[in-house]
Amino acid sequence: AQSVAQPEDQVNVAEGNPLTVKCTYSVSGNPYLFWYVQYPNRGLQFLLKYITGDNLVKGSYGFEAEFNKSQTSFHLKKPSALVSDSALYFCAVRDPYSGNTPLVFGKGTRLSVIA
Amino acid sequence: EPEVTQTPSHQVTQMGQEVILRCVPISNHLYFYWYRQILGQKVEFLVSFYNNEISEKSEIFDDQFSVERPDGSNFTLKIRSTKLEDSAMYFCASRDAGQGIYEQYFGPGTRLTVT
Repeated sequence: AQSVAQPEDQVNVAEGNPLTVKCTYSVSGNPYLFWYVQYPNRGLQFLLKYITGDNLVKGSYGFEAEFNKSQTSFHLKKPSALVSDSALYFCAVRDPYSGNTPLVFGKGTRLSVIA
Repeated sequence: EPEVTQTPSHQVTQMGQEVILRCVPISNHLYFYWYRQILGQKVEFLVSFYNNEISEKSEIFDDQFSVERPDGSNFTLKIRSTKLEDSAMYFCASRDAGQGIYEQYFGPGTRLTVT
């Protein structure tokens, strides 16, 4: 069964500094990987995905993520953090072999960007 | 930009009562999902729905739960006899069936409080 681990409950970063939110996965075969962001009292918003191709994928709001097969990781990154990036971030994985397989989420990492 | 909508935003009910949570997926999407998030915990899959039938369901989705797409636009989750442990945020999601599209789009959620 597929699973996702987000080892950090909380990440604090100063505004303007680069940020990284970590994610590792476990899945048989090639994974489909996703990042979602949840702002207070809002639903989950899709940020980016890795399906195949380039290991570095770019998404919304200047975020990017790097797929590393040897380390089974899919860390979320941004070169320069904004206070408005403060939110809860979820990594998710999906089995690629079934048409309607659900997403399996990590427990989330709370990002706090300090001005 | 089209969005998934959910009503109500907050539902308070007494234990043993039936509740129906409503969702309007994005109009051209064909795959539908319900997830839930108990306060402070990870987002958990409940059920997926395609072509007017359940595709997959989790252990959480027992006989107390049912889903329906009554009129071609709404997608509902019914909990027949609510329990205290059903208190959670319930998210509806939908996905396009197009080639290479795997991301799910989430609604803002319904917060269910069972007293």
